[in-house]
Amino acid sequence: GAVVSQHPSRVICKSGTSVKIECRSLDFQATTMFWYRQFPKQSLMLMATSNEGSKATYEQGVEKDKFLINHASLTLSTLTVTSAHPEDSSFYICSAGTGATTDTQYFGPGTRLTVL
Amino acid sequence: GESVGLHLPTLSVQEGDNSIINCAYSNSASDYFIWYKQESGKGPQFIIDIRSNMDKRQGQRVTVLLNKTVKHLSLQIAATQPGDSAVYFCAENIRGATNKLIFGTGTLLAVQP
Repeated sequence: GAVVSQHPSRVICKSGTSVKIECRSLDFQATTMFWYRQFPKQSLMLMATSNEGSKATYEQGVEKDKFLINHASLTLSTLTVTSAHPEDSSFYICSAGTGATTDTQYFGPGTRLTVL
Repeated sequence: GESVGLHLPTLSVQEGDNSIINCAYSNSASDYFIWYKQESGKGPQFIIDIRSNMDKRQGQRVTVLLNKTVKHLSLQIAATQPGDSAVYFCAENIRGATNKLIFGTGTLLAVQP
């Protein structure tokens, strides 16, 4: 089946630093990847849609200069949290679509970001 | 100290019983719906999906029912097992170029042995 990986699974950083999270589709090509964040006991909130070879589309209220997204290949999208602050601490999850006739998105295992 | 935050709706069932998890969706233009299971500290796992031209779909031990009139979706799990304990989310697909998913609030299923 379609497998999506994320790296790292956990990261702890100091306030003011930048953190990069990678999302890879391992056995399929993903023209579109999605980035979500999830706070404890809450649902997934879509942050942005990452399109291979073009600029990402951000949801309302998500700062594009703070959450930099790059989708340079059909198997890799990266999310960089710039100048991280404690309120950015969250669970970040990516998903990828297979581009097949179904619209199913397959999710990565998530990255737990803790900003001190 | 005690933490303050949102509490997920919880469904507690006995092992072996059937579970029914409900979801109300918001957009009448949504035409594709998915149920995901999320275990603690992990990403969502696809369970079953249904398109708006159907009102019922069955998988292995799971059934999804769709009522478009009242914009309601349900997930039925037969013979619930301890391994089914997780948070369950419904998601609706907003048809468009990017096929975005909008997630519901989630339900915590707790299976008692």
